[in-house]
Amino acid sequence: NAGVTQTPKFQVLKTGQSMTLQCAQDMNHEYMSWYRQDPGMGLRLIHYSVGAGITDQGEVPNGYNVSRSTTEDFPLRLLSAAPSQTSVYFCASSYGEGNEKLFFGSGTQLSVL
Amino acid sequence: GQQLNQSPQSMFIQEGEDVSMNCTSSSIFNTWLWYKQDPGEGPVLLIALYKAGELTSNGRLTAQFGITRKDSFLNISASIPSDVGIYFCAGPPYFGNEKLTFGTGTRLTIIP
Repeated sequence: NAGVTQTPKFQVLKTGQSMTLQCAQDMNHEYMSWYRQDPGMGLRLIHYSVGAGITDQGEVPNGYNVSRSTTEDFPLRLLSAAPSQTSVYFCASSYGEGNEKLFFGSGTQLSVL
Repeated sequence: GQQLNQSPQSMFIQEGEDVSMNCTSSSIFNTWLWYKQDPGEGPVLLIALYKAGELTSNGRLTAQFGITRKDSFLNISASIPSDVGIYFCAGPPYFGNEKLTFGTGTRLTIIP
């Protein structure tokens, strides 16, 4: 089973560039979310979605956009990359909001120069 | 958002040693979760705790839900090389509609 698939695995951007991090899950999960992981700060929630067509902001949403047109896909868009967005990004999904058993992708390591 | 502080931040141990780590919060949590992140991978759920005082095991791992509901503990017995990684506590705060909050992590390294 594929589970949660993230692409790309690594990415280097220049300041001001835009890009989309892809996330897809094949478990028919309603809830999907994006986290960023920074040293000493744990995992911080960027955006989340409780179902197709519904998205909401997490703890650190500035500079990021999301959409959820299908149950399977939840892309994260960086509108104008900044060095502060250098981080490791994780997509996660679960059966429903409040279900603590999150399934994580393997992450995207992003560097913004 | 809520802050979960984990201690220690990092540990360097020899294979076979026991490991203890903890997680504390300034507010009450309804559920405590422990995740493990292998190098280069996403976190995976190890143990979930639902009641104050609860003690739950998963193989060599044992976790406890603190009686104050503001802390949790994770112990690993007889560590092996595959225990290397970052351990995160997490939970949904009891009050409000806040999402799952993750701790700052404890990085475990095993010295050969």
